[in-house]
Amino acid sequence: AQRVTQPEKLLSVFKGAPVELKCNYSYSGSPELFWYVQYSRQRLQLLLRHISRESIKGFTADLNKGETSFHLKKPFAQEEDSAMYYCALALPSGGSYIPTFGRGTSLIVHP
Amino acid sequence: DVKVTQSSRYLVKRTGEKVFLECVQDMDHENMFWYRQDPGLGLRLIYFSYDVKMKEKGDIPEGYSVSREKKERFSLILESASTNQTSMYLCASSGTSVYNEQFFGPGTRLTVL
Repeated sequence: AQRVTQPEKLLSVFKGAPVELKCNYSYSGSPELFWYVQYSRQRLQLLLRHISRESIKGFTADLNKGETSFHLKKPFAQEEDSAMYYCALALPSGGSYIPTFGRGTSLIVHP
Repeated sequence: DVKVTQSSRYLVKRTGEKVFLECVQDMDHENMFWYRQDPGLGLRLIYFSYDVKMKEKGDIPEGYSVSREKKERFSLILESASTNQTSMYLCASSGTSVYNEQFFGPGTRLTVL
């Protein structure tokens, strides 16, 4: 069963427009969620994590337990935000934690 | 300051060959992972290891095996490569806390002809 759902494969916006990349999760425990980003020709890297409650590169994500969501938002998109974004949920396994990833959303920001 | 390295960026192999993909991390992480990354399917976990000589199957282990003889090194083995194993393979490592991020390697683009 899909534990992390990213409903949009592709999101296309113009520079300066607001962006929201959706992520919904399925987990009965206390979730720990992450957003990872992969820019063109670069390795996959952490963008932000729920526990840190921080804004990175203008992006924020709020955990909504009622809606089981962890959507990624940015008020004004920039061209350099174009990338592949993955939402991940850390699940317990064998005394450690294993991330489960969504299928990813490709964000394209047009000039 | 490269932290996770993979032995090859690009690899071309023939059907039936045995293929070795190697991953090394220098952060003394307990956990190491191998993923496949395919368009539209995201990252799918093949195997992971949370200690030396320990391994656990992920979501798609069929056709693969792994080896972890040393803490810093995690190898993925395709026993008999097939065309449907053509993909991007990503290695990652992390600590054991729920808050730990994963650090990824640059990936190996494997083509099986």
